[in-house]
Amino acid sequence: QKEVEQDPGPLSVPEGAIVSLNCTYSNSAFQYFMWYRQYSRKGPELLMYTYSSGNKEDGRFTAQVDKSSKYISLFIRDSQPSDSATYLCAMSHANFGNEKLTFGTGTRLTIIP
Amino acid sequence: DAGVTQSPTHLIKTRGQQVTLRCSPKSGHDTVSWYQQALGQGPQFIFQYYEEEERQRGNFPDRFSGHQFPNYSSELNVNALLLGDSALYLCASILSGTGGGRTEAFFGQGTRLTVV
Repeated sequence: QKEVEQDPGPLSVPEGAIVSLNCTYSNSAFQYFMWYRQYSRKGPELLMYTYSSGNKEDGRFTAQVDKSSKYISLFIRDSQPSDSATYLCAMSHANFGNEKLTFGTGTRLTIIP
Repeated sequence: DAGVTQSPTHLIKTRGQQVTLRCSPKSGHDTVSWYQQALGQGPQFIFQYYEEEERQRGNFPDRFSGHQFPNYSSELNVNALLLGDSALYLCASILSGTGGGRTEAFFGQGTRLTVV
């Protein structure tokens, strides 16, 4: 069993829809939870991070962490064609820059104009 | 400020050959991590270098080795290439935190390695 599970999709939604992306994990030692966006032929870029449980909002993006269920989510409101990319969840045990990141497989998202 | 730069962008190698990939971190960043991303998969941690030493290592065989230079740039070497080594190799640049505080990993564009 992988430490981090993520539905690979692909997921296609119409422009303006709310998108929900999810990951589950098995290692209860994870404390930092991140979402990366990766455009085709590019490296991942950090979208949001959350420490421990709770919600965090940044513009159209909301990240949620439920440590009791070992479940994290990313919501995208008013989705735009420019949001079309692969979304990767990632986790680490400690200060996430210095610690290794454990990634999900990524969900390929397409926003249809 | 230049971001993380990796070279080459693409390369094709034959099974059994050796390859060296290069990474220059962001200005002022002292830590480099390497990841392997197979097609349709998430990145997998190979190892991390700090102060010219390997600080952490993932579940990769000894065929994968690395080096960090005094200017913080880094190399990833892979010996005896296998077809399964075909992947996007990502370098992440980090400014190591001191006594707490969040630090962020910035990724380069990657080197796409094809083994034939």
